[in-house]
Amino acid sequence: GAVVSQHPSWVICKSGTSVKIECRSLDFQATTMFWYRQFPKQSLMLMATSNEGSKATYEQGVEKDKFLINHASLTLSTLTVTSAHPEDSSFYICSARENQGQVLGEAFFGQGTRLTVV
Amino acid sequence: SQQGEEDPQALSIQEGENATMNCSYKTSINNLQWYRQNSGRGLVHLILIRSNEREKHSGRLRVTLDTSKKSSSLLITASRAADTASYFCATAIQGAQKLVFGQGTRLTINP
Repeated sequence: GAVVSQHPSWVICKSGTSVKIECRSLDFQATTMFWYRQFPKQSLMLMATSNEGSKATYEQGVEKDKFLINHASLTLSTLTVTSAHPEDSSFYICSARENQGQVLGEAFFGQGTRLTVV
Repeated sequence: SQQGEEDPQALSIQEGENATMNCSYKTSINNLQWYRQNSGRGLVHLILIRSNEREKHSGRLRVTLDTSKKSSSLLITASRAADTASYFCATAIQGAQKLVFGQGTRLTINP
């Protein structure tokens, strides 16, 4: 299957700083990428849908200015957690799908990023 | 918001036994997908079943879909210790370009 690479796999940062997480599709082009947040032993919560060349679509309750998403190319989307606070500590996962038309098929996931804000 | 509910939340069985997990959803779907997640890792796609399909097989996996009841089940036969993981169903909702995940089932296979 297609490969999605997420970097870094873990990061520790101080409160008030910003952290950037990268999501790359290695062997396919992805017009759309998705960013999820996952709390321990819970499901994935969709944060936003990242669209190449346009603004991201955020889910209800997700702060746009807090979680900045940029999808500058067909193989790269970035999530920046701005002015991070301890409550932002979580596991963040990206996914991408190949451009297969309107119906959403199989999604390919990155390895996830464990963010700890101290 | 989450659409799917999975049952059970946790399941512990002996190696060699079959494991069955269930998923229910609320809205009309294009397809339903099952994913596996090992602790602290990303998700791996297992199988996709379309809304016009009722059953699908892949190796030791068997998935059923009942659109009238808005439910699906995942059966893993002859379980192995390596099957220990969390399993999530995800629905591709009609008219929406996103997957909505269920709560997940934590499966433990005891050797």
